[in-house]
Amino acid sequence: GENVEQHPSTLSVQEGDSAVIKCTYSDSASNYFPWYKQELGKRPQLIIDIRSNVGEKKDQRIAVTLNKTAKHFSLHITETQPEDSAVYFCAASIDTGRRALTFGSGTRLQVQP
Amino acid sequence: SAVISQKPSRDICQRGTSLTIQCQVDSQVTMMFWYRQQPGQSLTLIATANQGSEATYESGFVIDKFPISRPNLTFSTLTVSNLSPEDSSIYLCSVISGSEQYFGPGTRLTVT
Repeated sequence: GENVEQHPSTLSVQEGDSAVIKCTYSDSASNYFPWYKQELGKRPQLIIDIRSNVGEKKDQRIAVTLNKTAKHFSLHITETQPEDSAVYFCAASIDTGRRALTFGSGTRLQVQP
Repeated sequence: SAVISQKPSRDICQRGTSLTIQCQVDSQVTMMFWYRQQPGQSLTLIATANQGSEATYESGFVIDKFPISRPNLTFSTLTVSNLSPEDSSIYLCSVISGSEQYFGPGTRLTVT
């Protein structure tokens, strides 16, 4: 089955800096890669996703890049703000059939004001 | 997007008992997923529930421990049976709406 590895496990940045979180996946059939943000005590919230027919996707301060050959994808947050502090999870799935997500281990991002 | 509710939001249960968690969605969905999130950990898929068929369980999860019902396209239950302290976790249901996957608020289970 799919295995998703995520790094780093913790990341501390100064407000206004950029943050990058990286994930690798093992199943070459995976073609859907969402990123979730989970604040303390809350449910995971989808913040951005990318499909394998696209190499990069951007939404305001958030961007995701995908390298299918190397089987890795990354989340980039620019101009970080204290409210970006949360745990971020990457995930991978095959976008047909059962479409169950396999999650990475999570990255705790702390943005220092 | 889908609006998902879960009951109960939290519970404290004694060892050896069972807890049934309900998940309600505001629209009809084909598949519902049940995940477990142990304290400070990531999300692990327990099973996928389709209406009218038996749930599909992931490796390490069995029907006797985690029976699931899916009586219609908007509702599902997960029962965690014969509770032990290791079952203390957050249990989340999830659905795909459109092309995106959404999560319920979770049920925090503490086993004493």
